[in-house]
Amino acid sequence: DIQMTQSPSSLSASVGDRVTITCRASQGIRNDLGWYQQKPGKAPKRLIYAASSLQSGVPSRFSGSGSGTEFTLTISSLQPEDFATYYCLQHNSYPLTFGGGTRVEIK
Amino acid sequence: EVQLVESGGGLVQPGGSLRLSCAASGFTFSSYWMSWVRQAPGKGLEWVANIKEDGSENHYVDSVKGRFTISRDNAKNSLYLQMNSLRAEDTAVYYCASGLGATPPPRWGQGTLVTVSS
Repeated sequence: DIQMTQSPSSLSASVGDRVTITCRASQGIRNDLGWYQQKPGKAPKRLIYAASSLQSGVPSRFSGSGSGTEFTLTISSLQPEDFATYYCLQHNSYPLTFGGGTRVEIK
Repeated sequence: EVQLVESGGGLVQPGGSLRLSCAASGFTFSSYWMSWVRQAPGKGLEWVANIKEDGSENHYVDSVKGRFTISRDNAKNSLYLQMNSLRAEDTAVYYCASGLGATPPPRWGQGTLVTVSS
């Protein structure tokens, strides 16, 4: 199984801050990775697909990068509505695996 | 409107069975791989199983192999998860989701809570 190690597990940031979240795959997964945002009590919403493609309707302050084993989600200027938990998901091989999540909290 | 609506969750004793359903509308259900994803209380997301567009192929996470069965009925635009030999660690909100690896944004249901407890 491919392990997805996500870091940090939580962070505190202020509105306007630049935030970076990382996922490391235990083996190469090409660019078969998506980034999801989940708010309490809600289903996840995908922000980025194919590691770096912005999903339609998602604000441009979100961006993704990486390929192979190292991936990054960046929020260029954190907004109040961005406080949530973020997950990466690899779909390169079975079982599909999520990262452990990063909780983004208000500083 | 695109919708996925799960049903069938509830309280079940360890060793018991439950069948979850997911009704799809507003998109071409038969064109997408469908998945079940679960989230234990206060924990992260875990992919459980998926099934190919025509139902000819499916995959499971190891922890549910031999106990859970995913199926679909494209004529009814419905996805199912038959869960047998349930354990306390299966307690979670179960979501159905479409096309997790596809380019269009995946659709998700609102989730249904399964609680395994005596």
